[in-house]
Amino acid sequence: GAVVSQHPSWVICKSGTSVKIECRSLDFQATTMFWYRQFPKQSLMLMATSNEGSKATYEQGVEKDKFLINHASLTLSTLTVTSAHPEDSSFYICSPTSGASYEQYFGPGTRLTVT
Amino acid sequence: KNEVEQSPQNLTAQEGEFITINCSYSVGISALHWLQQHPGGGIVSLFMLSSGKKKHGRLIATINIQEKHSSLHITASHPRDSAVYICAVRSKIQGAQKLVFGQGTRLTINP
Repeated sequence: GAVVSQHPSWVICKSGTSVKIECRSLDFQATTMFWYRQFPKQSLMLMATSNEGSKATYEQGVEKDKFLINHASLTLSTLTVTSAHPEDSSFYICSPTSGASYEQYFGPGTRLTVT
Repeated sequence: KNEVEQSPQNLTAQEGEFITINCSYSVGISALHWLQQHPGGGIVSLFMLSSGKKKHGRLIATINIQEKHSSLHITASHPRDSAVYICAVRSKIQGAQKLVFGQGTRLTINP
């Protein structure tokens, strides 16, 4: 399967600071990137979808000015949580797809804790 | 009612038992995925199905498009199979890329 990396794997930050999460597809071109959030014992919740070179499409209830997504290249997408609050503490997962197939790949996730 | 329903939500079994996890969906789909999420959080795609049956090692996945139902089977289960198994479908709507997820089945295999 494809190799997807996320960095950092975990991060602790203080309220009010910003955190950037990187997602890289190492051996294929990710034309579309999905960003998910997962709270404990719950399923994945889609936050936004981005296509390379375009603005992201956010799901209802997800603030686009708070969760900034950049998908500037076919191998790198970033999610920046701005002015983080404790309620933003969650597990964030990226999921790239090449669009040419229906195969879905997932990053290993980033556990964010906001104190 | 969720578009994707899994059963059971929790399953505990002894090592060696044959395991079945079910997934029913209510929308037309272009593909169905079975995913595995270990306690550390990482998600692995086990199967992608659009028809029939696929086998990989001790894992078997089947899908019945007419009945809108899929099953994931694990033969000779092992404690390392303990994980959350998630069924996810991709809508048949043209251009649809999003996955719709089931709520997951938490599987625990005791030695």
